[in-house]
Amino acid sequence: DSGVTQTPKHLITATGQRVTLRCSPRSGDLSVYWYQQSLDQGLQFLIQYYNGEERAKGNILERFSAQQFPDLHSELNLSSLELGDSALYFCASSVNRDAYSGANVLTFGAGSRLTVL
Amino acid sequence: GQSLEQPSEVTAVEGAIVQINCTYQTSGFYGLSWYQQHDGGAPTFLSYNGLDGLEETGRFSSFLSRSDSYGYLLLQELQMKDSASYFCASTGGGNKLTFGTGTQLKVEL
Repeated sequence: DSGVTQTPKHLITATGQRVTLRCSPRSGDLSVYWYQQSLDQGLQFLIQYYNGEERAKGNILERFSAQQFPDLHSELNLSSLELGDSALYFCASSVNRDAYSGANVLTFGAGSRLTVL
Repeated sequence: GQSLEQPSEVTAVEGAIVQINCTYQTSGFYGLSWYQQHDGGAPTFLSYNGLDGLEETGRFSSFLSRSDSYGYLLLQELQMKDSASYFCASTGGGNKLTFGTGTQLKVEL
């Protein structure tokens, strides 16, 4: 157990629907990162939050949004789902505010596997 | 933009040494990290190079050359459990931590 909790582990839904993925960071970590990993693909950076504020943004689609709450948990909302959104969505946390702070070790959750039919 | 290129697949035998290369093009480069990911699992941190040279952590070592925009991960005394995907990652402009394309390592008997 890495200490980063993601729910749900698996989710199957239909095109056009909306889903919310939830992440609780490791105790003491203030940064939360979201990554998307499609089949046999690398990890695509979506967005990062630090202590409730957006810190960095990747190639996140406009149909996707995220936020980090005062208790530091984060949610990733995916709407108007398309077949191509089927992927493993990882949340990771770190203690650092900035991705370039030293080693900035990211601790990943087990992921949420989204299947869009 | 940022890009990190790795070989897609490497195969080696148990007990051998294998090197996984990573070349990068990033603005505002700070350092290079390496992560391991088993099939369907979460990526886990292996090593970080903030300065040029070699960092050793048990059977794993990582190297960085900023002048060549190049790094590698060296795995020694390979074990079957080392079969996994390995990703290099770097931080560039905009505070983004970008991962490489990933290298699938297959360890054979």
